[in-house]
Amino acid sequence: AQSVTQLGSHVSVSEGALVLLRCNYSSSVPPYLFWYVQYPNQGLQLLLKYTSAATLVKGINGFEAEFKKSETSFHLTKPSAHMSDAAEYFCAVSVNTGTASKLTFGTGTRLQVTL
Amino acid sequence: GAGVSQSPSNKVTEKGKDVELRCDPISGHTALYWYRQSLGQGLEFLIYFQGNSAPDKSGLPSDRFSAERTGGSVSTLTIQRTQQEDSAVYLCASSYTTSGSSDTQYFGPGTRLTVL
Repeated sequence: AQSVTQLGSHVSVSEGALVLLRCNYSSSVPPYLFWYVQYPNQGLQLLLKYTSAATLVKGINGFEAEFKKSETSFHLTKPSAHMSDAAEYFCAVSVNTGTASKLTFGTGTRLQVTL
Repeated sequence: GAGVSQSPSNKVTEKGKDVELRCDPISGHTALYWYRQSLGQGLEFLIYFQGNSAPDKSGLPSDRFSAERTGGSVSTLTIQRTQQEDSAVYLCASSYTTSGSSDTQYFGPGTRLTVL
């Protein structure tokens, strides 16, 4: 079975600072990896996904993530935080079971951006 | 275009009552998923539909939970004899195909269920 671990349930950064949200996965087969963002009282919105094409994946709103197989990691980064980035971020893994593509989510990281 | 819609947005019910939650997927999406988001358990998979059939119901927590999908479109999640531990946000997602696990799932805004 696959799983995802997100280190740090809360991360606080200053506006303009680097954002780094950590995600490690466990999977016995090559995984597909996703980062979703959730704004208050809204559903989940896809930021980016890794599908084995390129290890460095660029997403929306200036976010990117790098797949590192040797470290089983898929950390999310953004060079310069903006106030509008304040939200909860979820890392998720999906594997091809042949019958379903259900997502297994991490516990989420709440990002706070301060002035 | 229109995204995934869910109704109602909020539902307050009394313990022991039955509730129905509705999901309208993006037009043309063949796969539909239900997830539950709660403080104690995080985001959990409940059930998945491909067309009108449900190949994977492994996440349904008890036999009080059921779901159906008709016409390959709208889906209803039914919870019978609701309990306080059923209080959560129920999220629906849809994707165009399940040809591979890299398919993007598009999420609705969720239904917040409160059981008193």
